[in-house]
This record gives sequence, C-alpha cells and structure tokens, in this order.
Amino acid sequence: QQQVKQSPQSLIVQKGGISIINCAYENTAFDYFPWYQQFPGKGPALLIAIRPDVSEKKEGRFTISFNKSAKQFSLHIMDSQPGDSATYFCAASGRGYQKVTFGIGTKLQVIP
Amino acid sequence: ETGVTQSPTHLIKTRGQQVTLRCSSQSGHNTVSWYQQALGQGPQFIFQYYREEENGRGNFPPRFSGLQFPNYSSELNVNALELDDSALYLCASSLGASGRAGEQFFGPGTRLTVL
Repeated sequence: QQQVKQSPQSLIVQKGGISIINCAYENTAFDYFPWYQQFPGKGPALLIAIRPDVSEKKEGRFTISFNKSAKQFSLHIMDSQPGDSATYFCAASGRGYQKVTFGIGTKLQVIP
Repeated sequence: ETGVTQSPTHLIKTRGQQVTLRCSSQSGHNTVSWYQQALGQGPQFIFQYYREEENGRGNFPPRFSGLQFPNYSSELNVNALELDDSALYLCASSLGASGRAGEQFFGPGTRLTVL
C-alpha cells in the first residue's frame, strides 16, 4: 500500500522554468511533510518541510503548497537551474513516532 | 557540528552471509532510523531506535536487526543475505521528542551488493 503517491516520476524543465512535483497522501495522522533532494551516490537531504496548519511555505526558490482537505501537497521550484537536477522525494510522518514514508521520487532534469 | 556518518561506503557479500552496517548520529541526536533504498525507489523504513530501544519497525523480516549504543550510534545487522537485499542502506538521525514528528538528517548510505 503506497501511502504517499508522487508524480511525475520524471520531469524535464528548461533553465529558468518552473518545476512542479505533486504528492497525495492517505493517512490523516500524518502531520509533517518534508521534501528531500537526492543527488546520485548521496543520501537524501532535507530541502523544505511543512506542517498541515499552514497552506504555503516558501524558502528561496522552493515553495510547498499544501491542501489539507484534498490531502495533497506540491513542490514548486522557481527559476529552475541545471544544479537543481536531482531526484526529489516527497514524504510524510506522524506524531510521536518519526518513521518517514517516502514517495517514489521524481527525477528532475533541468536543461540549458 | 558533525553530520551523520556511515560505514562502510560499499560492501559486497554473497548470498547467505551476514553483514553489519554502522552509523554515527549527528551530535545531539538521540534517535536513529534505518532505511533501505532499492535502485529507482524511495527509501523504505526498516526500524527506528530511540534511547537504545526499538521504537517502531517497518515491513522487514526478523533477519534484519539492530542496536543502538549509549552514545546513540547504531548498527544494522542482516542475516542470511538474499539477492534482493542489494540496496543503499541509509541511516537518519533526529532529536526524538514526544508529540510531533521532527526533522531527520540522512547519512550518505552504505551500498550493499549481494552476489
């Protein structure tokens, strides 16, 4: 049972464009939604995270939009750069117990 | 502040053997979680240790076991290795607290290949 569904699995964006990755979850007990960035041969690195009491969080070029009623959240990367080329994972975890459930990942390629 | 470190970086074993992977948590963190990441997939939760006690387990068989030490470092042991155990094994540390989930910081992983 895939508790966090992520799409698309691959994405090609031109430099300067907007990259958008979408996720949906099923478990209403989730209360923390991080996004991770992973480069080949490296572990995932926390990029940005949101809790369900806010609808949007922005850090630099990265924005999370959160829709609690639809149980959906998305990552927007503005002004995408070739250095952003990586695999992005949405994730979710619940109260008191820090297991993180990951989506399948989106391989982003930003072309010049 | 030292980040999460893992050893070894790479490991090759044969089917049926046993393996031990090690993780040192980030300074100040008391919780360690282990994940298995198969090629092209997201990390899958194996188990978590909080103050030397197992604090939750994912859908992995008992031949996957672990330990956490008083300094909060941790080991993952896998017995009777199978070909499907070939994966990147990730350790993540965090500061455990009741009530709300918190940030987890991942190490670079150990790439295990089972032949």
